[in-house]
Amino acid sequence: DSGVTQTPKHLITATGQRVTLRCSPRSGDLSVYWYQQSLDQGLQFLIHYYNGEERAKGNILERFSAQQFPDLHSELNLSSLELGDSALYFCASSVGLAGGEGYEQYFGPGTRLTVT
Amino acid sequence: AQKVTQAQTEISVVEKEDVTLDCVYETRDTTYYLFWYKQPPSGELVFLIRRNSFDEQNEISGRYSWNFQKSTSSFNFTITASQVVDSAVYFCALSEDNYGQNFVFGPGTRLSVLP
Repeated sequence: DSGVTQTPKHLITATGQRVTLRCSPRSGDLSVYWYQQSLDQGLQFLIHYYNGEERAKGNILERFSAQQFPDLHSELNLSSLELGDSALYFCASSVGLAGGEGYEQYFGPGTRLTVT
Repeated sequence: AQKVTQAQTEISVVEKEDVTLDCVYETRDTTYYLFWYKQPPSGELVFLIRRNSFDEQNEISGRYSWNFQKSTSSFNFTITASQVVDSAVYFCALSEDNYGQNFVFGPGTRLSVLP
């Protein structure tokens, strides 16, 4: 158990809908990262937050947004869902940023999103 | 633009054999970070190692070792005396130090260790 929790574990929804994925980082970790893993796109970095502030954006679609709250949990919002958004969404946390100690990332179990 | 190549899509070895997983990266930055992650059949991702571009020392952790060579832009991962539990997909990743953590992952290498 990495200490990172993600809810829900599975989510099935229809095209055009909006969903929210939630991530709670390990206690003490200030950084939260979101990743998408799909069969055709592989593993892709979406976005990184550090202590409530967005630090880096990867291949995140405009229909997707994220935020990190004062209690450091994070939410990934996916809207106007398309069939191609079906994927496993991982959240990871770490103490700090690259270059510093404690950069090891710990991953949650993932949320499997199925868009029908 | 940054890129990570893992040319080996799938590798099968017999238990106790040594196996090396290749990773070649491209970046224009002089400061960058390289990573390896493991994804066992259960699906969770496990962080294995981080290496920054200024540290070319090889690293050994138990049966795992990593060889970082800037001259060939490679960061290869060797498992010595492989075990069935090593069966997983292994991802190499690159992050450029741009005040954020913008990662690029390789496509992964599926390692099967047969008993």
